[in-house]
Amino acid sequence: GAVVSQHPSRVICKSGTSVKIECRSLDFQATTMFWYRQFPKQSLMLMATSNEGSKATYEQGVEKDKFLINHASLTLSTLTVTSAHPEDSSFYICSAIIAGIPNQPQHFGDGTRLSIL
Amino acid sequence: GESVGLHLPTLSVQEGDNSIINCAYSNSASDYFIWYKQESGKGPQFIIDIRSNMDKRQGQRVTVLLNKTVKHLSLQIAATQPGDSAVYFCAENRAGGTSYGKLTFGQGTILTVHP
Repeated sequence: GAVVSQHPSRVICKSGTSVKIECRSLDFQATTMFWYRQFPKQSLMLMATSNEGSKATYEQGVEKDKFLINHASLTLSTLTVTSAHPEDSSFYICSAIIAGIPNQPQHFGDGTRLSIL
Repeated sequence: GESVGLHLPTLSVQEGDNSIINCAYSNSASDYFIWYKQESGKGPQFIIDIRSNMDKRQGQRVTVLLNKTVKHLSLQIAATQPGDSAVYFCAENRAGGTSYGKLTFGQGTILTVHP
């Protein structure tokens, strides 16, 4: 149980393109999802916390107009990288927690490898 | 915090040996800790967790030890196998506040198991 699906797994696109990444909880409801960015051989860096039905909370230094987050249902959050540039190339990972359960691990998707040419 | 520019610590072991991966955490208010395994090109996979009211928890081939006095967490893997090769991250959750469910990840350790 507690499966999180992330799509697409890999994106290669031209500079200036906007890219949307989907994160779905397949077998549970997730009021809260998290978006991370990970550079090679580094740890996960939290970008934002996505709450169903409300605005996302962004970490310091993360541009909310650059990384648009929408969490319109209890099973889907999307991250849109707007006008992507080569420096946005990275591994983006989402996670979700089951609604109403304290002290639980985050359940992760398998990430999206974004390459901007 | 960020680990930009730093190389991940590495641990190399022989198949069948026991592995110990260590993690220091900084927030004494953290009350829940998790170990994750991340294979190349994949998302982190849950291994084991422990609450702050415990100092030891065992799973299948894995044991997590928590020392709150020195803010130290360790993951012990028994009879390490080549399939255990991955990057291992500890993560902590701070109690209360507005950061429900939010985790802070450690730097990570690369485990390489040689046949």
